[in-house]
Amino acid sequence: DAGVIQSPRHEVTEMGQEVTLRCKPISGHNSLFWYRQTMMRGLELLIYFNNNVPIDDSGMPEDRFSAKMPNASFSTLKIQPSEPRDSAVYFCASRAGGSLHFGNGTRLTVT
Amino acid sequence: KQEVTQIPAALSVPEGENLVLNCSFTDSAIYNLQWFRQDPGKGLTSLLLIQSSQREQTSGRLNASLDKSSGRSTLYIAASQPGDSATYLCAVMSTDKLIFGTGTRLQVFP
Repeated sequence: DAGVIQSPRHEVTEMGQEVTLRCKPISGHNSLFWYRQTMMRGLELLIYFNNNVPIDDSGMPEDRFSAKMPNASFSTLKIQPSEPRDSAVYFCASRAGGSLHFGNGTRLTVT
Repeated sequence: KQEVTQIPAALSVPEGENLVLNCSFTDSAIYNLQWFRQDPGKGLTSLLLIQSSQREQTSGRLNASLDKSSGRSTLYIAASQPGDSATYLCAVMSTDKLIFGTGTRLQVFP
C-alpha cells in the first residue's frame, strides 16, 4: 500500500498563474478530503468527496479554488488565478470508514 | 459550529516524563475523535481513533481518553522519548467532516 500520493511536493509560482495540485487516494477508500495548513489558521477543510461526488465545499475560500474527482483514484485542486495569500501546505487525505490517511502534502509558494 | 481547542500550544519536557495533552470540543455530537502526529515537513500520521461509544484507546506508550459529555479528550504519553518530539493534533468527526485543533508542539530533550 503506497499510501496517499500527492504531487508535486513543492510548487513555486507567480501571482496570477494557475496552479493544479494532484492526489491519488488509497485504493478502496471512498472518501477524499482536501485540507490547507497555515501557521495562522492551522488545518482547514476545503472540500470533501464521497464516492467521487463533492459533498461539502463550504471551506473553499473563493471562486478561484475548484476541485474535481473524475474517478476513484484521482483528484485535483486548482487555483486560478493564484495569489500570495494562497501560500500554504495543501494536504489530501482519504478514508474508508475508519481513520483518515494523509499524503505528505504540497507546499505552495505564490510570489 | 464545531470548534476544537488544544492546550498547551507548546510543551518542552525532559526525557522519561509522563505527559498529558488536552483537547476540547464545543459540540458533543461527534462520531469519533482521532489523535494525529505531524513531524516537520511531513503529513499527519494517525495515532489513535476513539469511537463516540468508547472511553479510551491504547497503543504502546500512548493512551487516549474521551469524555463526550464534557467535550474533552486527553492523550497520555508514558515515558517520553526524544523521538516523540512532534506536533500532536486532535480532530473530531462531526457530520462526516474532520475538524482539527491547532495542535500541541512537543519537544522531548535528552
